[in-house]
Amino acid sequence: EIVMTQTPLSLSVTPGQPASISCKSSQSLLHRDGKTFLFWYLQKPGQPPQLLIYEVSNRFSGVPDRFSGSGSGTDFTLKISRVEAEDVGVYYCMQSTQLPHTFGQGTRLEIK
Amino acid sequence: QVQLVQSGSELKKPGASVKISCKASGYTFTAYSMNWVRQAPGQGLEWMGWIATNTGKPTYAQGFTGRFVFSLATSVSTAYLQISSLKAEDTAVYYCARGTWLDPWGQGTLVTVSS
Repeated sequence: EIVMTQTPLSLSVTPGQPASISCKSSQSLLHRDGKTFLFWYLQKPGQPPQLLIYEVSNRFSGVPDRFSGSGSGTDFTLKISRVEAEDVGVYYCMQSTQLPHTFGQGTRLEIK
Repeated sequence: QVQLVQSGSELKKPGASVKISCKASGYTFTAYSMNWVRQAPGQGLEWMGWIATNTGKPTYAQGFTGRFVFSLATSVSTAYLQISSLKAEDTAVYYCARGTWLDPWGQGTLVTVSS
């Protein structure tokens, strides 16, 4: 199975400052159909995860434009241009290029 | 709006079985697959597998074969997860999530296995 490795596992950010989370996969996530099935989710405290980014770089409906995703192959990044208090929680990357779908370990974001 | 509503928390003894429901609304149920995801206490997310809602064909991740069964009641737009021979390590929150993008998610069902 494809192993997803996130770094860092936690970060503490001052409001208004940027944040970046890396997600590396053990194999290329480029599907034979040309798409890359890499997703980012945020799990806020006490809530189920919510979709932020689909297929590497596409913001889901309603997601603020301070969130952006990038990358290709095996290296991917989620960036928050200016962190706000409501961004606290655990961020997960997930691949569904290959079965089984696999998640990264999660990155906990807290506000300083 | 698109919504997944799961059944309530369960407290079970080791060896018992549990069946969790996930009722979909706001879209055509058979147009999207349904995934199941486990989150043990204080842990990350683990994909258990998915079921094709148009055919009923389930796909299980390794580690979720045998005691875990995905099923459907398409007439009421509901997916089910049944876990048999429950063990303490099955204690977790179980989520359903729609489609390839895993959106939206149900609110989660806490299953506690304790004697």
